[in-house]
Amino acid sequence: DIQMTQSPSSLSASVEDRVTITCRASQSIGSYLNWYQQKPGQAPDLLIYGASSLQSGVPSRFSGSGSGTDFTLTISSPQPEDFATYYCQQSYSIPHTFGQGTKLEIK
Amino acid sequence: EVQLVQSGAEVKKPGESLKISCKAFGYTFTHYWINWVRQMPGEGLEWMGRIDPDNSKTDYSPTFQGHATISADKSINTAYLQWSSLKASDTAVYYCVRRYDIWTARGTVNYFDPWGQGTLVIVSS
Repeated sequence: DIQMTQSPSSLSASVEDRVTITCRASQSIGSYLNWYQQKPGQAPDLLIYGASSLQSGVPSRFSGSGSGTDFTLTISSPQPEDFATYYCQQSYSIPHTFGQGTKLEIK
Repeated sequence: EVQLVQSGAEVKKPGESLKISCKAFGYTFTHYWINWVRQMPGEGLEWMGRIDPDNSKTDYSPTFQGHATISADKSINTAYLQWSSLKASDTAVYYCVRRYDIWTARGTVNYFDPWGQGTLVIVSS
């Protein structure tokens, strides 16, 4: 199985900050990397697919980059509604493993 | 509107059986794999397995193989997740989600969207 490791597991930020979350795969997965946002009591929502493509309707302050084994999710200026938990997921091979999640909190 | 609607919360005792459902609306059910994802209380997301509704071919994570069963009825656009003997450790929210394939400049990739609203399963004596 491909292991997905996210860091950090949690972080505090203010709306003036630039937030970066990283995700590392245990083997190369090309661009088969997706990012999801989950708010408490809700199902996850797709943010980024194919490592860097923004899902329709997602604000442009979200961006993704990377390929192979190392990936990054960046939030350029997090808004109050962005404070949530973020998960990366590899869709390269089954089982389609997720990272352990990164909880973004307000500083 | 493309959406997946799941059955309601369940409270069961250890050893009991259970079947939860996921009904698809707004797209051709047989064209896309349906996946199931577990989220235990306060924990992250775990991929359990998937089904091709067109031919009922399934794949499972080794973690869940043999304990939970995925099925589908394409005549009513519905996928299922079932257990024959629940354990307390099955207490979790279970999500169904469609796998969607799309072409990008980097080639064809796939992602999970939309997600069902989740079904809470509580197993307690």
